[in-house]
Amino acid sequence: KAGVTQTPRYLIKTRGQQVTLSCSPISGHRSVSWYQQTPGQGLQFLFEYFSETQRNKGNFPGRFSGRQFSNSRSEMNVSTLELGDSALYLCASSLGPGQGPSGANVLTFGAGSRLTVL
Amino acid sequence: AQKITQTQPGMFVQEKEAVTLDCTYDTSDPSYGLFWYKQPSSGEMIFLIYQGSYDQQNATEGRYSLNFQKARKSANLVISASQLGDSAMYFCAMRAFSFGNEKLTFGTGTRLTIIP
Repeated sequence: KAGVTQTPRYLIKTRGQQVTLSCSPISGHRSVSWYQQTPGQGLQFLFEYFSETQRNKGNFPGRFSGRQFSNSRSEMNVSTLELGDSALYLCASSLGPGQGPSGANVLTFGAGSRLTVL
Repeated sequence: AQKITQTQPGMFVQEKEAVTLDCTYDTSDPSYGLFWYKQPSSGEMIFLIYQGSYDQQNATEGRYSLNFQKARKSANLVISASQLGDSAMYFCAMRAFSFGNEKLTFGTGTRLTIIP
């Protein structure tokens, strides 16, 4: 069973540019969430999508956006990049809401997209 | 709001010894799950073990076990017979299951180094 696939793995951008990151979830998983990891702030929740709808959103500026397609694949976009956006962006997939506190709620992460903003 | 506290920034353990990584949590939601993830230097977040708030037994997965003490709000990870490959960052995380609170909240992590 293929895992969560994130592309690209590494990318370098300059301030003011925009970037799009892609995430393909595990087959059968319908929920995709995104996290930003930096040395200073740790792991922070960006947003979660289920059935093409954003269910939850973290405390990030509007420059951070995302979407989910009908095949559950998701993209996130960061516009007008700033130096502080340099981070590891992790995507995770799960079956979806309504599972309750059962083991079916495990989030499986991809290898991440490491973004460097110069 | 949910909060996870990991008080051990770093630990050094001799190979083949057991190690306990501490995690305490705080939530007002009665329905939640607790997770432990391992993050090697490659960056990928690897799922280790899960405990649901209503589970009566402590979770175990091979060499990993979760010492769940609900009244104390603690969910410590125990790794038995540590190996060199266990050297990594370890994150405790929780997820509540009321609508709008379902994001995964992470602790700051513990860097575990196994000494040969």
